[in-house]
Amino acid sequence: QITLKESGPTLVKPTQTLTLTCTFSGFSLSTNEVSVGWIRQPPGKAPEWLALIYWNDDKRYSPSLKSRLTITKDTSKNQVVLTLTNMDPVDTATYYCTHIMTIFGVVMGLDNWGQGILVTVSS
Amino acid sequence: EIVMTQSPATLSVSPGESATLSCRAGQSVSSNLAWYQQKPGQAPRLLIYGTSTRATGIPARFTGSGSGTEFTLTISSLQSEDFAVYYCQHYNNWPPMLTFGGGTTVEIK
Repeated sequence: QITLKESGPTLVKPTQTLTLTCTFSGFSLSTNEVSVGWIRQPPGKAPEWLALIYWNDDKRYSPSLKSRLTITKDTSKNQVVLTLTNMDPVDTATYYCTHIMTIFGVVMGLDNWGQGILVTVSS
Repeated sequence: EIVMTQSPATLSVSPGESATLSCRAGQSVSSNLAWYQQKPGQAPRLLIYGTSTRATGIPARFTGSGSGTEFTLTISSLQSEDFAVYYCQHYNNWPPMLTFGGGTTVEIK
């Protein structure tokens, strides 16, 4: 059974850096064709993809946020960490960690999601 | 960037009836098209991937179809638990980009 859980601050100030940790179980990020991603969803809006990391440490970022994002993995701890710099009130959203189903490296779907963590950006 | 446009924004349907949701891509895309269901306070749940393959545990009343720029999710004989928001999502290999549509709310008529 795959489970994922997001952790981190729920309130950050403008200009600060957000660091979120995804702790997962039921799979290993050292196994071929495994990947983990981050999605965010502002209140009342559609989800937005942020980043993903593959088992081989290959990384992909949303072009619109690439300059502010970093995704890393710690295979020994079963964790993926996302950092988002220079936070702004428009970054207020629920942030989700997801297990990604891939076939030959192609993303097919986000088949397991964490519960999400609501991050509010306010001074 | 490939824009995914969903229609209608809201669909009012009576229980037991069918619902047809549309997702249009701004340009012809591969079959890496997925559909999700989201209920209030919950994370999205994968329903369909690869345009037409149901995810594990998804009932047969959910059917995905389409190609090119036009994709459809059909829900036959709507049950009470099906009233929710539905999102389509596409992944483009290069440049790498994962895009969600704006969503369709299926509400009780």
